[in-house]
Amino acid sequence: DTEVTQTPKHLVMGMTNKKSLKCEQHMGHRAMYWYKQKAKKPPELMFVYSYEKLSINESVPSRFSPECPNSSLLNLHLHALQPEDSALYLCASSQESGGYNSPLHFGNGTRLTVT
Amino acid sequence: AQSVTQLGSHVSVSEGALVLLRCNYSSSVPPYLFWYVQYPNQGLQLLLKYTSAATLVKGINGFEAEFKKSETSFHLTKPSAHMSDAAEYFCAVTAFKAAGNKLTFGGGTRVLVKP
Repeated sequence: DTEVTQTPKHLVMGMTNKKSLKCEQHMGHRAMYWYKQKAKKPPELMFVYSYEKLSINESVPSRFSPECPNSSLLNLHLHALQPEDSALYLCASSQESGGYNSPLHFGNGTRLTVT
Repeated sequence: AQSVTQLGSHVSVSEGALVLLRCNYSSSVPPYLFWYVQYPNQGLQLLLKYTSAATLVKGINGFEAEFKKSETSFHLTKPSAHMSDAAEYFCAVTAFKAAGNKLTFGGGTRVLVKP
């Protein structure tokens, strides 16, 4: 069982919809991440939160809006997405964001389809 | 900038045979290297990590990797493949960036295990 929980597992949305992806961890980790993974490709970093503050935004389009309400929760708000945004969205956490000895723990992802 | 290159997008091995997955890194500073495994429809799971304590690193599920600075390599091996080893394997390197623990992945190697 993964210690990082993502909901929903699957999401289908139209280009005019607004939806949110949710991620939760109870390991006391202070860094949380969103990655996007296209089929047969490695994960690509989107955002990093460190101590509930956004520390890295990898030039992600504004139709993706992250939110970290507290140290255990991470949301990704979606609005006006394009079909090419269809992918597996992975959430991860680590004990701290600047520590090299702090591996990432991944959730099982949300498979998003934009129609 | 730091990067990793995985040689071979697909590897096919017979059950009981040696598994060898190749990873070469590029880094201007001492790297911190990781191997992750991804089973179908799941997130990524840490197999092992190199953080300069020892050049031969043992991980879970019988995998190990050796850091060779002279060859800039961090190849992953397992003496005897099992059917359950069929998965996608990613080599990754960290790069310090502000407060973020940015994990950069290689392209991945898909392992097929033949009975």
